[in-house]
Amino acid sequence: QKEVEQNSGPLSVPEGAIASLNCTYSDRGSQSFFWYRQYSGKSPELIMSIYSNGDKEDGRFTAQLNKASQYVSLLIRDSQPSDSATYLCAVPYSSASKIIFGSGTRLSIRP
Amino acid sequence: GAGVSQSPRYKVAKRGQDVALRCDPISGHVSLFWYQQALGQGPEFLTYFQNEAQLDKSGLPSDRFFAERPEGSVSTLKIQRTQQEDSAVYLCASSLGLGTGPRNYGYTFGSGTRLTVV
Repeated sequence: QKEVEQNSGPLSVPEGAIASLNCTYSDRGSQSFFWYRQYSGKSPELIMSIYSNGDKEDGRFTAQLNKASQYVSLLIRDSQPSDSATYLCAVPYSSASKIIFGSGTRLSIRP
Repeated sequence: GAGVSQSPRYKVAKRGQDVALRCDPISGHVSLFWYQQALGQGPEFLTYFQNEAQLDKSGLPSDRFFAERPEGSVSTLKIQRTQQEDSAVYLCASSLGLGTGPRNYGYTFGSGTRLTVV
């Protein structure tokens, strides 16, 4: 089992709809969780962080965390074509200082 | 600086050649990381520095890979006797602080160096 797992996609969502991206992780001691967005040919960009169970909203983005289920998700409301990118789930190891990345989910917003 | 700066942006190396990749982190960021990203994959951890101390090098794939940060700011990732499997984007990231819980602020990445070994 990989430490951070994501569906690779592609996930195709119509413009204006809600895109839902999911991630599971294996380290029960992890306490910080991040979502990065990576456009093709560009470096990852931090878009959301979450530390507590429940929801955290920032504009059109909502991160959801369930530590008991070791599950973190990202919802994008009113999806726009500019949201088309690969979304990386990232979880720091509880026993070390490095962040482990999932392989990413490729999201495509169709007009 | 305002962001993490990496150079060169692109590097083509002949198999067997040595290469050096440079990273200049955000001023004041004590933590610096190197990652390797193959096409279609997420970044894979290589090594971590806190100031000048290399605290974790568990991700370096072989003894051909070497990283240093002698004065706690600029870092260099060196790859000796490059092989085709070394072709990837090498990402440098810096962070204000790390640890578990809310003290982990996540990373800011540089633009990366795309290494192609021919």
